[in-house]
Amino acid sequence: GDSVTQMEGPVTLSEEAFLTINCTYTATGYPSLFWYVQYPGEGLQLLLKATKADDKGSNKGFEATYRKETTSFHLEKGSVQVSDSAVYFCALPSFSGGYNKLIFGAGTRLAVHP
Amino acid sequence: DVKVTQSSRYLVKRTGEKVFLECVQDMDHENMFWYRQDPGLGLRLIYFSYDVKMKEKGDIPEGYSVSREKKERFSLILESASTNQTSMYLCASSFTHRDPKNIQYFGAGTRLSVL
Repeated sequence: GDSVTQMEGPVTLSEEAFLTINCTYTATGYPSLFWYVQYPGEGLQLLLKATKADDKGSNKGFEATYRKETTSFHLEKGSVQVSDSAVYFCALPSFSGGYNKLIFGAGTRLAVHP
Repeated sequence: DVKVTQSSRYLVKRTGEKVFLECVQDMDHENMFWYRQDPGLGLRLIYFSYDVKMKEKGDIPEGYSVSREKKERFSLILESASTNQTSMYLCASSFTHRDPKNIQYFGAGTRLSVL
């Protein structure tokens, strides 16, 4: 079945460091891919998305490229800030039983220190 | 902006109590979802609803039920709370289940402790 695998955290970085959070997926066809972010004490919100292969999603300085050859959608940011401390979830739409649902990765916690 | 509101941020209940978690969305979305979030397990889908009075089981429906009497409101019910249901519960909504690219919007979550 469809699945999403994320790198385990926590990831601890100093401010202005480069960030990569790995995400790979298993799916039938070429679905859309999403990154959601959960700031402390809040629900999840969409960070960025890509709807087809080779698309690059970007928002708030974060980027992720949909690579079908490696079935990956890694999240990157060139210079992280303390305010980026959050949990990041990679997600994949999955069609089963006649309905579209989202499958989430386990989440990667990022802590950025001044 | 889409708003998904969960009635409580924190709840403490006793084992065996009946627990209601309420969720309201203000964007006339067809779909509503209940997830639980546990460390290391990500989000797991409990139930979802694609229309009023309609419901579908997710991946972990055991011990839970749901109610959707109005389009904007989706309730999660723990018939007899147990300690293993201590968790963060997240409600979400989306415009339609027919578009796989549609975005889910989340509430802030309810942290439930069952003692």
